[in-house]
Amino acid sequence: DAGVTQSPTHLIKTRGQQVTLRCSPKSGHDTVSWYQQALGQGPQFIFQYYEEEERQRGNFPDRFSGHQFPNYSSELNVNALLLGDSALYLCASGHSGGVGQPQHFGDGTRLSIL
Amino acid sequence: DAKTTQPPSMDCAEGRAANLPCNHSTISGNEYVYWYRQIHSQGPQYIIHGLKNNETNEMASLIITEDRKSSTLILPHATLRDTAVYYCIVSRRGGTSYGKLTFGQGTILTVHP
Repeated sequence: DAGVTQSPTHLIKTRGQQVTLRCSPKSGHDTVSWYQQALGQGPQFIFQYYEEEERQRGNFPDRFSGHQFPNYSSELNVNALLLGDSALYLCASGHSGGVGQPQHFGDGTRLSIL
Repeated sequence: DAKTTQPPSMDCAEGRAANLPCNHSTISGNEYVYWYRQIHSQGPQYIIHGLKNNETNEMASLIITEDRKSSTLILPHATLRDTAVYYCIVSRRGGTSYGKLTFGQGTILTVHP
């Protein structure tokens, strides 16, 4: 039973570029959330997708956008990259029908901006 | 979601029980308590969760006070591999499409030989 998988594991970009990160949820899960974790900090919620729509959004600018596909996988897109976007990007999946059931996280994509 | 307060760091001897406290005095009736841990360079790992009853699984036990304003995560026999940052999170319906997890700074648990 595969857990949450993310790709790539590491990525290096330069300022102003655009990046796409990918996430496959745990088997049986249909919701996907994205988090940003700066060095030494706890993860910060970016947004959550369910039924291919953005359902909740944290305090992140419009440069951060996402998509969920019919197979429940998801992408996170970041445009006009800034040095401050350097972070570990985490994906978490959950089951919409499981009230109280926990979300499960992948090991993240480490994004470095030069 | 209610805010949580955890000590910034704790130490524990290998083989002894590790008791990690969490204060969530503003918790509401429909909010669950979740515990995750994060080992360096990995994603957060789910440990245990509860609503109002004490819970136990193969990893840990969760003790929630009767008024639900605080909880304690218990690792019964800590090992060196339990060294990690432990996060206590309070959230409504955390596993559903409407569940946002708000992470604080967590507790850095260091297990010593």
